[in-house]
Amino acid sequence: SAVISQKPSRDICQRGTSLTIQCQVDSQVTMMFWYRQQPGQSLTLIATANQGSEATYESGFVIDKFPISRPNLTFSTLTVSNMSPEDSSIYLCSVRGQGWTEAFFGQGTRLTVV
Amino acid sequence: GESVGLHLPTLSVQEGDNSIINCAYSNSASDYFIWYKQESGKGPQFIIDIRSNMDKRQGQRVTVLLNKTVKHLSLQIAATQPGDSAVYFCAENPGGTSYGKLTFGQGTILTVHP
Repeated sequence: SAVISQKPSRDICQRGTSLTIQCQVDSQVTMMFWYRQQPGQSLTLIATANQGSEATYESGFVIDKFPISRPNLTFSTLTVSNMSPEDSSIYLCSVRGQGWTEAFFGQGTRLTVV
Repeated sequence: GESVGLHLPTLSVQEGDNSIINCAYSNSASDYFIWYKQESGKGPQFIIDIRSNMDKRQGQRVTVLLNKTVKHLSLQIAATQPGDSAVYFCAENPGGTSYGKLTFGQGTILTVHP
């Protein structure tokens, strides 16, 4: 298993600004992912954070809006850029290790854009 | 596109009853399925998983059944307790080059009445 810490746990931001969310894992992991959970809805994969290279984005998500970094095997950041109220969601970091079956999730970052 | 869906968005049961939460999936190439529990303000918590070469898997008070013929997944919770109240999500792993990514169902809200 893995212990995943996300910062901040919640934030209220002004529209037009950007917020960077951090994800720290207590052990090296092979794969890191970022998900979005809109209010009252399920989780949707934003992108796979690749160590040392550009993230791989899912359909409907672009790098300019959600830039992602992964400088090493234990840390990643997701930035929500030029925010609008429609970006109000919970953003979740998920990890999966080599040989693991299940994926583990952080507690999420609850973002409200006003 | 491929998706995972749930038949029942809400489920209310009495403490001590057995609960059954259902999930339909559409990607026949998926080789791995997971059930997650999400409590308010927290990230999804792993409950139990099953590989596509199995029909049934049991854990502590939980059983997952997989019917590949009709692409159906279910989670059975025995002797449901108030602490089981949460949102339950099924998720599928498409496998192959999509290893590690998860597609989530819409979620079922389980409420357990004392």
